[in-house]
Amino acid sequence: DAKTTQPNSMESNEEEPVHLPCNHSTISGTDYIHWYRQLPSQGPEYVIHGLTSNVNNRMASLAIAEDRKSSTLILHRATLRDAAVYYCILRDPYSGGGADGLTFGKGTHLIIQP
Amino acid sequence: DTAVSQTPKYLVTQMGNDKSIKCEQNLGHDTMYWYKQDSKKFLKIMFSYNNKELIINETVPNRFSPKSPDKAHLNLHINSLELGDSAVYFCASSQRLAGGVDTQYFGPGTRLTVL
Repeated sequence: DAKTTQPNSMESNEEEPVHLPCNHSTISGTDYIHWYRQLPSQGPEYVIHGLTSNVNNRMASLAIAEDRKSSTLILHRATLRDAAVYYCILRDPYSGGGADGLTFGKGTHLIIQP
Repeated sequence: DTAVSQTPKYLVTQMGNDKSIKCEQNLGHDTMYWYKQDSKKFLKIMFSYNNKELIINETVPNRFSPKSPDKAHLNLHINSLELGDSAVYFCASSQRLAGGVDTQYFGPGTRLTVL
């Protein structure tokens, strides 16, 4: 899986939007962009994924740059429960049969201030 | 209903012992995984397994072995435990969706402490 770069940490206020950036300049045409998060003392949790178009679900939105070399996870209204480490992961479903596991980086530690 | 469950939640043992961690998923997924999260919080894939194939991360010592009695279970056996094996171990499962994309569901983790 191709490499991603994320800020080590970000801080935001409760009930404000949060934009978590991810750079992936070496992304290939078949790489999907996945986001997972890990809340304190819990296992990672799937958030969202996309290929080219922006995506929305009940948890977040994913904005993908036109050249696909970067993306942004958007939490529209952060709560204290969103404090977690957020991981941006590239995953090629046609490589390794999808059965070779996720490659986690260091992620972004999101701190939410009340 | 718990989608991916692991037992035990905590495991404290002496160096040199052999131990197992159990994992069960009730999602009907065909692929299961074991990940290790060390003290610096780095998450690394150890194994992935479906009923056809086992993929092993080459950095995993052969003291670690996954065993799958059936599609819903993937247990992790560890022989001759060492201090460096202390970590949190996460089980996960996935099912490939249309287009080949999969999303993984993780268990709550097993914190292993080797004394």
